[in-house]
Amino acid sequence: GEDVEQSLFLSVREGDSSVINCTYTDSSSTYLYWYKQEPGAGLQLLTYIFSNMDMKQDQRLTVLLNKKDKHLSLRIADTQTGDSAIYFCAEKAPGNNRLAFGKGNQVVVIP
Amino acid sequence: GAGVSQTPSNKVTEKGKYVELRCDPISGHTALYWYRQSLGQGPEFLIYFQGTGAADDSGLPNDRFFAVRPEGSVSTLKIQRTERGDSAVYLCASSSGPRSSGNTIYFGEGSWLTVV
Repeated sequence: GEDVEQSLFLSVREGDSSVINCTYTDSSSTYLYWYKQEPGAGLQLLTYIFSNMDMKQDQRLTVLLNKKDKHLSLRIADTQTGDSAIYFCAEKAPGNNRLAFGKGNQVVVIP
Repeated sequence: GAGVSQTPSNKVTEKGKYVELRCDPISGHTALYWYRQSLGQGPEFLIYFQGTGAADDSGLPNDRFFAVRPEGSVSTLKIQRTERGDSAVYLCASSSGPRSSGNTIYFGEGSWLTVV
């Protein structure tokens, strides 16, 4: 089954880059996702990557996927105070329509 | 509406009472999901609907939890004999279907349930 692990807390200065990491266990996962959750709010889909890709860039966001190590990362360039949130990675296995989420990584941006 | 809509946004209920949580998915989305998120945790899958039928209800924790989607659009999550451990945010999500590109799943703001 799917099991997703994330580190818990990251503090970063405004304007710096931040990198959030995630490991997953199901090597057959087809899609991997990054969601953002601000306090008291629902989950906002940031980006996703198909498992046959190594990298995906979307404006300030860069997703790197290392399938061999089952490692996913999200890099946020020029981090802004509005990026302060909890970031969840999630995986989706083939033939399975559910997403399995990690526990999240809280990012705090210091002005 | 433009996004997934959930009501109520907040619900406080007494232990043992019955609760209904409603989800209105994005128009045209055939797939609908319910997740539960406890404090400090990631969302946990409860149930998935494709159209009117529950295609996967393996995440429902016990028989006090039940969900319906009678017309393939709005869904209601029903919790009987609520317990304090049911306190959580109940998130609804929808997508255009299992074969859509990326199967992008969009979440609502959640219904915060507190059982006292």
